[in-house]
Amino acid sequence: KAGVTQTPRYLIKTRGQQVTLSCSPISGHRSVSWYQQTPGQGLQFLFEYFSETQRNKGNFPGRFSGRQFSNSRSEMNVSTLELGDSALYLCASGPSMRLGEQYFGPGTRLTVT
Amino acid sequence: AQSVTQPDIHITVSEGASLELRCNYSYGATPYLFWYVQSPGQGLQLLLKYFSGDTLVQGIKGFEAEFKRSQSSFNLRKPSVHWSDAAEYFCAVGAPNTGNQFYFGTGTSLTVIP
Repeated sequence: KAGVTQTPRYLIKTRGQQVTLSCSPISGHRSVSWYQQTPGQGLQFLFEYFSETQRNKGNFPGRFSGRQFSNSRSEMNVSTLELGDSALYLCASGPSMRLGEQYFGPGTRLTVT
Repeated sequence: AQSVTQPDIHITVSEGASLELRCNYSYGATPYLFWYVQSPGQGLQLLLKYFSGDTLVQGIKGFEAEFKRSQSSFNLRKPSVHWSDAAEYFCAVGAPNTGNQFYFGTGTSLTVIP
């Protein structure tokens, strides 16, 4: 079974632009979560989607948004990029909302210049 | 609020030596506890988890962890480290009925010397 796929793997954007990251979960998984990983703040929870509905949201500004499609694929969008948004964005999928059943993808490395 | 502390930013051990990575958590009730490992350029891989029951849990790759409620700790151990264990290790806590929302520690980087 294929793992969690994230595209693109690397991305360079300019401050003020917007970006969309994509996550394809493991087949059959309906939960998708997003995390931001930075050297200064570590791993921080962004949001979780289950069956196309946002179930949980972390403490991030409204510039960070996401959605989930009927095939469970998910996208996250960051508008008006700031330098501090440079990070590794990790996506995780799971068959349910039960903790500990998530599988993480390799991440998308976003650099904002 | 939940939080996780990993006091050791970086640890170096010799191959074949034993390993213990420390993790302390803050949570009002019994939390769900996890250890993840991240190799360079990779996502996170679950090593083991604790929900309830036996406080000593076994995981993959020969790792184990012990939940100590009195010390609010969930330390990760391995009796004999292999060079391939070099990676970043993260302790995480989650709460029941909050979905897949983890609170992660800042991580411990492990270097293994021959």
